[in-house]
Amino acid sequence: DQQVKQNSPSLSVQEGRISILNCDYTNSMFDYFLWYKKYPAEGPTFLISISSIKDKNEDGRFTVFLNKSAKHLSLHIVPSQPGDSAVYFCAARVSGNTPLVFGKGTRLSVIA
Amino acid sequence: DVKVTQSSRYLVKRTGEKVFLECVQDMDHENMFWYRQDPGLGLRLIYFSYDVKMKEKGDIPEGYSVSREKKERFSLILESASTNQTSMYLCASSYDSNQPQHFGDGTRLSIL
Repeated sequence: DQQVKQNSPSLSVQEGRISILNCDYTNSMFDYFLWYKKYPAEGPTFLISISSIKDKNEDGRFTVFLNKSAKHLSLHIVPSQPGDSAVYFCAARVSGNTPLVFGKGTRLSVIA
Repeated sequence: DVKVTQSSRYLVKRTGEKVFLECVQDMDHENMFWYRQDPGLGLRLIYFSYDVKMKEKGDIPEGYSVSREKKERFSLILESASTNQTSMYLCASSYDSNQPQHFGDGTRLSIL
């Protein structure tokens, strides 16, 4: 049973526009959420995170929003750039020393 | 910067062989992880370790074992390789569960 779901396998966005990547989760015990970005033939790199005590965290062009009542997480990229084209993974963790649970990923293509 | 190094980028082995995948991190991280990434399935946790000589099963441990004799090194072992173990293998480490995981660049393993 998937605890972290990324329902869109792919997304195409024009350069300069906003990219919105979505993630839903089922485990209400998750208290820490992360987004990773992965280019082909490279390992995932950490992008941004948010604790369950917040509803928004911003880092440059990247903003993560958390809606705990809806068990929904989203990553906004503004403005989108061709270099943002990659697979994005959402991940979550229950408090304590527990491993991350990853979604299946969304492939973002930013078209020039 | 954290460096997680996986010993091979590409590896080709035969069915039935014993295969060793090595991972070394240089930041004195307590936690280390092995994942495999397959199209449409995202990142799936095989094994993890929170301390030297300690190991825990992840979501898909069957057919694998691990070894952590030193803090910086975490080895994944395919006891008798099978074709369904052809995959991209990713190693990760983190200081603790409150910090993001850092990934190596992966080993693309083909079992013929």
